Amino acid sequence: DGGITQSPKYLFRKEGQNVTLSCEQNLNHDAMYWYRQDPGQGLRLIYYSQIVNDFQKGDIAEGYSVSREKKESFPLTVTSAQKNPTAFYLCASSFAGGPGTGELFFGEGSRLTVL
Amino acid sequence: ILNVEQSPQSLHVQEGDSTNFTCSFPSSNFYALHWYRWETAKSPEALFVMTLNGDEKKKGRISATLNTKEGYSYLYIKGSQPEDSATYLCALHTSYDKVIFGPGTSLSVIP
Repeated sequence: DGGITQSPKYLFRKEGQNVTLSCEQNLNHDAMYWYRQDPGQGLRLIYYSQIVNDFQKGDIAEGYSVSREKKESFPLTVTSAQKNPTAFYLCASSFAGGPGTGELFFGEGSRLTVL
Repeated sequence: ILNVEQSPQSLHVQEGDSTNFTCSFPSSNFYALHWYRWETAKSPEALFVMTLNGDEKKKGRISATLNTKEGYSYLYIKGSQPEDSATYLCALHTSYDKVIFGPGTSLSVIP
């Protein structure tokens, strides 16, 4: 079945450690996105990528890094520089291509807790 | 930072009632307006993608309209059912594929 797979589903981290969240899609989508959700808030854009080897910062990129070496994969690293990393992280993908396209398909999310 | 707003923040309705929510956004430089439904313990799923001023979309009891000139979209649910309970998100698809979400409207339908 086509879809988006995020792993791990739950992750605990000690302060000062970097962690990497995995996002893989087999939908042949060009664009991929990372969002963060905090309690009582909506989805905030961290990074997004329209094409392999290219990505752009979203609204809250500080303390995060990404790579897009393959079309199928868009891992997110939460670095020790991220001040409040405890959150729910959602990965999404879509066909790129301009107006009228781009419905997002989402993974099941990864919940990161910093101890 | 581009701001997408939604109102109300939450809503409780009785089964059978009809209801509507609002999404407002800067009325220029965007490709499309999306609506998503996010049920508890599931992933968000797209309901509608709208691009043109005056666009109206319908899926069963749910419909949406778009006014690009004044920068708002309405989502309507006719005859709410308990299974409609979810958070409804709108999102603005800007140029270069940046997709910005509003904070959502949480709907609870009381049987």
